Amino acid sequence: GESVGLHLPTLSVQEGDNSIINCAYSNSASDYFIWYKQESGKGPQFIIDIRSNMDKRQGQRVTVLLNKTVKHLSLQIAATQPGDSAVYFCAESESGGSYIPTFGRGTSLIVHP
Amino acid sequence: GAGVSQTPSNKVTEKGKYVELRCDPISGHTALYWYRQSLGQGPEFLIYFQGTGAADDSGLPNDRFFAVRPEGSVSTLKIQRTERGDSAVYLCASARGPSGNTIYFGEGSWLTVV
Repeated sequence: GESVGLHLPTLSVQEGDNSIINCAYSNSASDYFIWYKQESGKGPQFIIDIRSNMDKRQGQRVTVLLNKTVKHLSLQIAATQPGDSAVYFCAESESGGSYIPTFGRGTSLIVHP
Repeated sequence: GAGVSQTPSNKVTEKGKYVELRCDPISGHTALYWYRQSLGQGPEFLIYFQGTGAADDSGLPNDRFFAVRPEGSVSTLKIQRTERGDSAVYLCASARGPSGNTIYFGEGSWLTVV
């Protein structure tokens, strides 16, 4: 079946660096994408989303890029802080599928002070 | 509260027993989702409610799993004849509606079957 996956299971960065977390998806019908942050023992927390009619969307310290040609999604975190340490998931969904998010495996971001 | 509330936060049960997990969505949210998350994995979809009806239950692994949402608000996930493989975090989420609105997750119910 079609699935969402992540290239790097673990990413270690120094505090203050920029972080880039990548995600590949394979469902060409997906038209809505979400990034979630999950801290240990907690539920996923919404970070930012993007619809397929956009290539880029910016939030506070975060930017999501969408490349539909190669079915790739990335999350950029500027000036990474220790509090950003968590597991990050991308999720894809489609309007034809009631927008039910399908999650990838996740990337663990470790920020060293 | 303002967020999605799940109870219990932790549940230990013996193999073969019946368990119920409860979810209180954000007030006014008509869409409700149940997911299951095993250690080191992403959340796995179980069932989606729009209002009182289960709009998509394709993720339920077998007939031991059942969920209800009788009044379109609180939902209960029911697991019969629990097995050790059912041990996981069960996550509930809600959204204002079905049309790609932001989905908010609860903290989850950690189920351990011994």
